[in-house]
Amino acid sequence: DGGITQSPKYLFRKEGQNVTLSCEQNLNHDAMYWYRQDPGQGLRLIYYSQIVNDFQKGDIAEGYSVSREKKESFPLTVTSAQKNPTAFYLCASSIAPGQGYSNQPQHFGDGTRLSIL
Amino acid sequence: QKEVEQDPGPLSVPEGAIVSLNCTYSNSAFQYFMWYRQYSRKGPELLMYTYSSGNKEDGRFTAQVDKSSKYISLFIRDSQPSDSATYLCAMSGRAGGSYIPTFGRGTSLIVHP
Repeated sequence: DGGITQSPKYLFRKEGQNVTLSCEQNLNHDAMYWYRQDPGQGLRLIYYSQIVNDFQKGDIAEGYSVSREKKESFPLTVTSAQKNPTAFYLCASSIAPGQGYSNQPQHFGDGTRLSIL
Repeated sequence: QKEVEQDPGPLSVPEGAIVSLNCTYSNSAFQYFMWYRQYSRKGPELLMYTYSSGNKEDGRFTAQVDKSSKYISLFIRDSQPSDSATYLCAMSGRAGGSYIPTFGRGTSLIVHP
């Protein structure tokens, strides 16, 4: 079955530590995204990538970094510079516009819950 | 004013009721409208995806878009306890060339037996 796999499901971070959240998709989508979800708030975009080896900052990129070395993978690193990292992190993918399609909806993984130790 | 407004609820209804969930928006460039269902501790699942104005039906779910009023709705007929979840609206368009969707905060729905 095609889908998006996020791991781990739960993650704990110590002070001063960087942690990396994994996101893998087998939907053959070019575009991938990272969102942060806090209670009572909508999804806030951290980073997105339309193509391998290219990515753009979203609305709240400070304290986060990403890489896109493979089409299937888009890992997110939460650095020690992110002072309030406790949240639910969601990875999504979609067909990128410009491939003969209209805007296509995103498909989501089941998230990683990050907490501070 | 936020670009997309959605009442967070919770909305509590008895089993079998017709549920109406709504979002309003301010950006007239939005053309693509989506509804997602999110269960606790899970990722959002795409329920409905529509383009421009009109209605779309899929089983017990009907999505309506009124671009003149900048108002979208999701109706759930014969609601079931398994429909209890948070429902997120999302929309995207050509505003500034961006295809990235803007999400509402989500409405929490509780269907009690």
